[in-house]
Amino acid sequence: DIQMTQSPSSLSASVGDRVTITCRASQSISNYLHWYQQKPGKAPKLLIHAVSILQSGVPSRFSGGGSGTDFTLTISRLQLEDFATYFCQQSFSPPHTFGQGTNLEIK
Amino acid sequence: QVQLQESGPRLVKPAQTLYLTCAVSGDSISSGSYYWSWIRQPAGKGLEWIGRLYASGTTTYNPSLESRVTILLDTSKNQFSLKLRSVTAADAALYFCARTPLYCGSGVCYLGAFDVWGQGAMVTVSS
Repeated sequence: DIQMTQSPSSLSASVGDRVTITCRASQSISNYLHWYQQKPGKAPKLLIHAVSILQSGVPSRFSGGGSGTDFTLTISRLQLEDFATYFCQQSFSPPHTFGQGTNLEIK
Repeated sequence: QVQLQESGPRLVKPAQTLYLTCAVSGDSISSGSYYWSWIRQPAGKGLEWIGRLYASGTTTYNPSLESRVTILLDTSKNQFSLKLRSVTAADAALYFCARTPLYCGSGVCYLGAFDVWGQGAMVTVSS
């Protein structure tokens, strides 16, 4: 299985801050890396697919980068609605594994 | 607009079989443009991919669950199902169904992200 490791596991920030979450794959996954946002009791919402392609309707303050094994999700100016848990996920090969999640909290 | 909706018993006894269905509306499950997956999330934990199904009926399962899982296609009802046998307390989770686009070009195909999700079905395992 490809292991996906996110860091940090939790993060405290303020409205207006810029934050970056990293995701590392245990082997190269090319650009088959996606990011999701999840709020309590809800299904994950796709934010970014194929490393850097913003899903329709997702604000432009979200951006993604990286290649191979190391990837980032950046939120440029945090809004109140951005406080949630974020997951990365690879679709390079099954089983399609997720990172353990990053819980973004209000400072 | 495509929508997915999970349904099925929310309480399962230990050692019995969990059964959920995912009804797809707004698209044909037989179109061949997507894979259809089950994903679960124990309370307070991360996401685990269970397995996927293609329009042809071809399935791929997570090796960690493969011996206990069956995912089936029902084209007459435009839905797919999950059976998980011999459940234990460790199988209690929020179960999601989700769609993944299949992108093909120049003879190569690859899977995209889980772009549409159901709202989830919370399953408890208890006697």
